[in-house]
Amino acid sequence: QKEVEQNSGPLSVPEGAIASLNCTYSDRGSQSFFWYRQYSGKSPELIMFIYSNGDKEDGRFTAQLNKASQYVSLLIRDSQPSDSATYLCADYGNNRLAFGKGNQVVVIP
Amino acid sequence: KAGVTQTPRYLIKTRGQQVTLSCSPISGHRSVSWYQQTPGQGLQFLFEYFSETQRNKGNFPGRFSGRQFSNSRSEMNVSTLELGDSALYLCASGAAGLHEQYFGPGTRLTVT
Repeated sequence: QKEVEQNSGPLSVPEGAIASLNCTYSDRGSQSFFWYRQYSGKSPELIMFIYSNGDKEDGRFTAQLNKASQYVSLLIRDSQPSDSATYLCADYGNNRLAFGKGNQVVVIP
Repeated sequence: KAGVTQTPRYLIKTRGQQVTLSCSPISGHRSVSWYQQTPGQGLQFLFEYFSETQRNKGNFPGRFSGRQFSNSRSEMNVSTLELGDSALYLCASGAAGLHEQYFGPGTRLTVT
């Protein structure tokens, strides 16, 4: 049974600061990992994916993957009020995504 | 390129009825997956289709079924609705050989 854990509670960050989100996964064979952003009442939107160990940067977002520790993280630099949303971590295997429960981020102006 | 479309967007049904939801993937995408999202359970995988074949199925009762047509459009059906089936049902499409999945706007199902 694949499990993806996002254990942090709601995260409040001041505008312009860095928001840091973490995620662990149970399936050592997982090869690809995703971060989705979901605004209240909307569907998830893919914002980052990472397949290899290390960092991947896209604009203000950086995804970090450590396969030895089975750990994925997302950094949001220069946080904006529009970043206020729930962020979902997922890993892919056997033709399906397994999602964590998500972390709510609130950016305070 | 148009995104994933789902119809209807909202549905209200009563217990015991059945419902059919529809999903049209992004043009060129042949994989369609269905997920159920509830506040308590989060996003849970229902099933995935590729070229009209179900490749994987989640841990849901047999009341939940799906199919995919030759044009990659997909439908899911829920029979004998229960109150607990109230949820946001999301469809996601993906290109062959890639793992990224893109979600549609969802169908909000309320069972009374």
